[in-house]
Amino acid sequence: DVKVTQSSRYLVKRTGEKVFLECVQDMDHENMFWYRQDPGLGLRLIYFSYDVKMKEKGDIPEGYSVSREKKERFSLILESASTNQTSMYLCASTPRGGTEAFFGQGTRLTVV
Amino acid sequence: DQQVKQNSPSLSVQEGRISILNCDYTNSMFDYFLWYKKYPAEGPTFLISISSIKDKNEDGRFTVFLNKSAKHLSLHIVPSQPGDSAVYFCAASLLDNDMRFGAGTRLTVKP
Repeated sequence: DVKVTQSSRYLVKRTGEKVFLECVQDMDHENMFWYRQDPGLGLRLIYFSYDVKMKEKGDIPEGYSVSREKKERFSLILESASTNQTSMYLCASTPRGGTEAFFGQGTRLTVV
Repeated sequence: DQQVKQNSPSLSVQEGRISILNCDYTNSMFDYFLWYKKYPAEGPTFLISISSIKDKNEDGRFTVFLNKSAKHLSLHIVPSQPGDSAVYFCAASLLDNDMRFGAGTRLTVKP
């Protein structure tokens, strides 16, 4: 059974904190993605990675960075959290040559 | 600039009738299109897809139509059931490692 696991379902952080969101997949997928979901805006792509140590900016990379040191793990980093980063964050993965994405359950981050 | 657009934030239909969800895209290089379904507090799950070389794909009650000249796709659900009530996201993929989503349409199927 395929699985994408995000480290936390709910997270509350203070403005200015450094925040790490972790995502692990057990399907040996090459591609991994980070999205944020906001009402009326849908899923917006923050960053994606098509291989270890490779990363590409999505539509809204500002204020975020990512790390992919191992194939199965893709981390999203908020260097200095701000209230406008309060959102639902979703991680996904796909195999190379495949297009159906498998999503984690999401992390609802609140920055106060 | 959103490359995939779902202009209807919500849709309400009666049980047993047809639900039609629409999606437009701007990038003619997209080569694969997908629909995902999302329940509250869960990640989206894959529903149905279509390659850019086809114009129709059917899977049970779900059919996706692609009109490349209009850069438009639609999802038809027939017959609609109350369990279909969810948010539906349209997605487009480019060269298999870049995927963009629309804003979503909340479908409500009334018994």
